Amino acid sequence: QVQVVESGGGVVQPGRSLRLSCAASGFTFSNYGMHWVRQGPGKGLEWVAVIWYDGSNKYYADSVKGRFTISRDNSKNTLYLQMNSLRAEDTAVYYCARDSDPWDMTTPYFEYWGQGTLVTVSS
Amino acid sequence: EIVMTQSPATLSVSPGERATLSCRASQSVSTNLAWYQQKPGQAPRLLIYGASTRATGIPARFSGSGSGTEFTLTISSLQSEDFAVYYCQQYNNWPPVTFGQGTRLEIK
Repeated sequence: QVQVVESGGGVVQPGRSLRLSCAASGFTFSNYGMHWVRQGPGKGLEWVAVIWYDGSNKYYADSVKGRFTISRDNSKNTLYLQMNSLRAEDTAVYYCARDSDPWDMTTPYFEYWGQGTLVTVSS
Repeated sequence: EIVMTQSPATLSVSPGERATLSCRASQSVSTNLAWYQQKPGQAPRLLIYGASTRATGIPARFSGSGSGTEFTLTISSLQSEDFAVYYCQQYNNWPPVTFGQGTRLEIK
């Protein structure tokens, strides 16, 4: 069965860095685009970033552009999110989510989500 | 960026009754709209995509309708497990993908 499992969250001081990972199984990882979506405490869902199935394209929300970097290792079936210059407003549960269709990046809705990993930015 | 607005913010309905949730887009998204259900401490669950297609395993009491800028999620006869927060999401003009702020469906 399809499974995505995030890890790497924790408490970090403002201005510091953190790297999240998302381990995928149960599907051909290299065929699917992957996304990060976050949810601040008591707040709604915010899309963060996407990476194409082959890593050829990456896009970011304006709120994280220039500070976060999405990447993937298809040989390890793993998605990453490198988060630099963290701010208090980056505090959230971070979910990885699989794109809907293989090789097709035109319909990014999300049937498969991980359980999320909590990032807390605080001094 | 397309702004998604959901109404009402909170909806109180009795079990067994019908619930109607609304989602409006700031510009047309055609039928490129999805609905999600989220319960406390859980990841969102996909209910509807393409505005009206139920995702795998979603009960028939959930239905979606609409196109362009106005969308509706209807739950025909509320079960206890349906009380949750519901989000709409557009994927017509992206990036960015954008979500509504959510509607909390609570027991009356």
